Amino acid sequence: QVQLVQSGAEVKKPGASVKVSCKASGYSFRAYYMHWVRQAPGQGLEWMGWINPNSGGTNPAQKFQDRVTLTRDSSIGTAYMELIDLSSDDTAVYYCARAHVWEFSNFLDYWGQGTLVSVSP
Amino acid sequence: DIQMTQSPSSLSAFVGDRVTITCRASQTISDGLNWYQQKPGKAPKVVIYGASSLQSGVPSRFSGSGSGTDFTLTISNLQPEDFATYFCQQSYFTPPTFGGGTRVEI
Repeated sequence: QVQLVQSGAEVKKPGASVKVSCKASGYSFRAYYMHWVRQAPGQGLEWMGWINPNSGGTNPAQKFQDRVTLTRDSSIGTAYMELIDLSSDDTAVYYCARAHVWEFSNFLDYWGQGTLVSVSP
Repeated sequence: DIQMTQSPSSLSAFVGDRVTITCRASQTISDGLNWYQQKPGKAPKVVIYGASSLQSGVPSRFSGSGSGTDFTLTISNLQPEDFATYFCQQSYFTPPTFGGGTRVEI
């Protein structure tokens, strides 16, 4: 069965960086784009970007373009999201999610369990 | 970016009720609209994709409709396990954007 397993919770200081991993299993890792979505406490969902695991091409959201790096290691079926220069506004649960292409669109059909990143002095 | 406006932001309902949630896009998105259910402490789960297609394994009491800018999610015969927060998402344009969510409470 398809599974996305993310790395554990992180506590960081302002100005630090964090790297979250997302290990995929149960399907062909290269065949589906991987998206990253975050959710601040009690808030809605915010899209951060996607990576094409086959080519390594990425499309980060404009808001995060200067601070986020999306990478993958296809040999081990793992995607990574690194966010630098953290502030308290980055405190959130970070999710990876697989994108299923449908006609001219897509939807996120499998999600990781989420990784809580807390940023505090 | 496309703005997605969901209403209501919360609602109270009884088991067995029929519930309707609406989502409006700031410009036409054809049928590139998905609905997700999220329970506390859990990742979202897709229930409807492409505005009206039921995701595999989701009960048939969930249905979606709409096209263009106005969409609805309907839950017929509300069950205890349906109490959750629901988000719409447009995926027709990049960046994909989410509605603010609707909390369905007992």
